[in-house]
Amino acid sequence: AQKITQTQPGMFVQEKEAVTLDCTYDTSDQSYGLFWYKQPSSGEMIFLIYQGSYDEQNATEGRYSLNFQKARKSANLVISASQLGDSAMYFCAMREDSVGFKTIFGAGTRLFVKA
Amino acid sequence: DTEVTQTPKHLVMGMTNKKSLKCEQHMGHRAMYWYKQKAKKPPELMFVYSYEKLSINESVPSRFSPECPNSSLLNLHLHALQPEDSALYLCASSFMGFPKTQYFGPGTRLLVL
Repeated sequence: AQKITQTQPGMFVQEKEAVTLDCTYDTSDQSYGLFWYKQPSSGEMIFLIYQGSYDEQNATEGRYSLNFQKARKSANLVISASQLGDSAMYFCAMREDSVGFKTIFGAGTRLFVKA
Repeated sequence: DTEVTQTPKHLVMGMTNKKSLKCEQHMGHRAMYWYKQKAKKPPELMFVYSYEKLSINESVPSRFSPECPNSSLLNLHLHALQPEDSALYLCASSFMGFPKTQYFGPGTRLLVL
């Protein structure tokens, strides 16, 4: 069964506008972490933001914020004031504390920022 | 400093060649990972080293041989690869404690002819 679901294969956003990338997850663990990574065409996976399952506040890192809705099991990434350099593949990922080292990645969302 | 370095950036090899991929980090991380990523797919875990010992091998064919000589270095030795092994190979590292946020290197793009 899919543990991480990203339902948007591709998204378009106008430069300087905000965009939300969706991510839902499935786990029975109480302790888990949620991550977002950005992968430009160069290939490097860039860590953007982390949310812990016990964190009550939504995580923010500069223009990135994570809209964490625990009851709905969603962890959407919000990018404010989009820039051309934000065009990339974005992966949502989860690590369950009981599992240890394995990180589960979603299928990814390709974001295109239009000038 | 959250830098993980990987060499080479690109590699073309024949099916009878032997080559190695290298990964290095100086963040004090004691967990290091190898991933394989095919185009338009998420990364797939291959191996995990913790405290320089192999912790996870995701049933990877023996033509891939990992090595962790010390806490900063991770190698992936390649021998007798197949064309379907062509992919982006990503190295990552993390602290041992939860949540083990992984920091990735730039990857090695491998083409097997």
